[in-house]
Amino acid sequence: DTAVSQTPKYLVTQMGNDKSIKCEQNLGHDTMYWYKQDSKKFLKIMFSYNNKELIINETVPNRFSPKSPDKAHLNLHINSLELGDSAVYFCASSQERLLAGVNEQFFGPGTRLTVL
Amino acid sequence: QKEVEQDPGPLSVPEGAIVSLNCTYSNSAFQYFMWYRQYSRKGPELLMYTYSSGNKEDGRFTAQVDKSSKYISLFIRDSQPSDSATYLCAMSAGAQKLVFGQGTRLTINP
Repeated sequence: DTAVSQTPKYLVTQMGNDKSIKCEQNLGHDTMYWYKQDSKKFLKIMFSYNNKELIINETVPNRFSPKSPDKAHLNLHINSLELGDSAVYFCASSQERLLAGVNEQFFGPGTRLTVL
Repeated sequence: QKEVEQDPGPLSVPEGAIVSLNCTYSNSAFQYFMWYRQYSRKGPELLMYTYSSGNKEDGRFTAQVDKSSKYISLFIRDSQPSDSATYLCAMSAGAQKLVFGQGTRLTINP
């Protein structure tokens, strides 16, 4: 009964390849996110979707394209992978105003991407 | 300058010690302040949150916010080896966007 799940857990690939990461949440939340955590543990938001609509799109190369087929799923497709894309990618979800305005985000276990 | 600054450590203390973790920030619009705990190879999980200034206590954990100084703290009393993790502060101005600190890696030695 995992709340936020991601696949795959590990991804090792060559530079220039295209890859996708999938995320699913069974919490009934209306908002989902993608974060990137670099080697120094710095966690930075990339995208946010609310009810399948893109609402946050940080300064991310357009090689990264999120897709939300429904509000329980948010996938991340990455084209032409580069060495600097190596990181842990976390999916998260939240229900706005669940805690009287506080945005408690529930994180998945992460996908560790290594680009060789 | 990053919006949220947090000393990455590492911080190592003996079991039973009081731990103090801190963050400073520059955006005065932040109103919600959170602490997330992240165990190795896991996703972050919410530990505590505070709205605006003040203190909040939950068991061995106390969160403090001083908006006038743009400074937040997390205190852990009677620290346990199971508290060993990376602690990330996070802040929000009220919308969905959370801005995280770099995280402080904490080790409690038995």
